[in-house]
Amino acid sequence: QSVLTQPPSVSGAPGQKVTISCTGTSFNIGAGYDVHWYQHLPGTAPRLLIYSNNIRPSGVPDRFSGSKSGTSASLAIAGLQAEDEAEYYCQSHDSSMTALGMVFGGGTKLTVL
Amino acid sequence: QVQLQESGPGLVKPSQTLSLTCTVSGGSISSGAYYWNWIRQRPGKGLEWIGHIYYSGRTYYNPSLRSLVNISIDTSKNEFSLKVSSVTAADTAVYYCARGKGRLNGMDVWGQGTTVTVSS
Repeated sequence: QSVLTQPPSVSGAPGQKVTISCTGTSFNIGAGYDVHWYQHLPGTAPRLLIYSNNIRPSGVPDRFSGSKSGTSASLAIAGLQAEDEAEYYCQSHDSSMTALGMVFGGGTKLTVL
Repeated sequence: QVQLQESGPGLVKPSQTLSLTCTVSGGSISSGAYYWNWIRQRPGKGLEWIGHIYYSGRTYYNPSLRSLVNISIDTSKNEFSLKVSSVTAADTAVYYCARGKGRLNGMDVWGQGTTVTVSS
């Protein structure tokens, strides 16, 4: 059971837009900790897509965007391409245990139809 | 271009200690701007943060793993290491090292990952 909740899967046709949600609590996202998003293809290193809620690192297409509100965050992918098919993870920090720690969502598998 | 590379045994026996090293190239591990992380992915599961270390040696661990984990840094070799003691089959995973810009920021550079299997 992950601290941050993501849908197990989403899908969309090429060219469409999909959104992946990441739901937390008042101990993590709701406490003001930033949310970061990663794209992970099997057998490769995860790639940072969005950091600090809505900032794209250099080299990440502007088709990818992030937002945060209250205890949730979202990753939107516009103009879907076949190469976007991957697992996506949100990440934040959580203060509910004895010490502040980094937490991930369970991951969302994106299928491009 | 900073690169990270994990190394260590791919097979560890139950109850023994898992030891991995992450070698940093193309940049100094002593830069005060970064934290150096260990993350793992068990088969069929998501990413799990293990802990991270600052160049000074200050460490932060996942509270659920703290008692079994130790992360250290060797600035002279530009590398940091992970030890997980008393391993079980549940520690079988792909282990990644990654660089984080600041303690609360995302991780922008990752190693390719190394698979560790715990089995007798």
